[in-house]
Amino acid sequence: SQKIEQNSEALNIQEGKTATLTCNYTNYSPAYLQWYRQDPGRGPVFLLLIRENEKEKRKERLKVTFDTTLKQSLFHITASQPADSATYLCALDYSGGGADGLTFGKGTHLIIQP
Amino acid sequence: DVKVTQSSRYLVKRTGEKVFLECVQDMDHENMFWYRQDPGLGLRLIYFSYDVKMKEKGDIPEGYSVSREKKERFSLILESASTNQTSMYLCASRKPGQNYGYTFGSGTRLTVV
Repeated sequence: SQKIEQNSEALNIQEGKTATLTCNYTNYSPAYLQWYRQDPGRGPVFLLLIRENEKEKRKERLKVTFDTTLKQSLFHITASQPADSATYLCALDYSGGGADGLTFGKGTHLIIQP
Repeated sequence: DVKVTQSSRYLVKRTGEKVFLECVQDMDHENMFWYRQDPGLGLRLIYFSYDVKMKEKGDIPEGYSVSREKKERFSLILESASTNQTSMYLCASRKPGQNYGYTFGSGTRLTVV
């Protein structure tokens, strides 16, 4: 079965620096890969989506890369702020649009220190 | 903004009770989903629905059923609640098309005692 690995340890980053989160998966590559943010006690919030034929996607301070050879996605937050502190989830979409459900990683807890 | 509303934030039920978790979305989305989230296990898909009256099993459907009688409402049913169903339950909906993520509700934290 598909395995998704995200940093299990919390990631501590100083304010203003770039935070880089990793999502590795096994087996075959998904059609899409999505990233979500989750705050304590709340539901995940969609951030970005990248297709398997795209190398990179940007949205404001966020950047996602997708390398199907390495079976890895990197999620970057530039000029990080304490308000960026949250758990970030990657999710694999094999149906091309998510109609059949997404497979989520366990998330990385990001802490931005002032 | 799309809203996905889950009827209860916190729920405490007794073992053996039949439990209904309700989810309503206001943007005419065809697809709806139920996940549970547990520490160390992440989000796991219980059931999903492509459209009204349709339902599909996810990865962990045992002990659950669902109902989708209207497009905007997707209910998760615990037929006979057990303590191992204590969890955070998250409902989501999805706009048709390939460029959209899921919109999640705020979750229902269910405790079965």
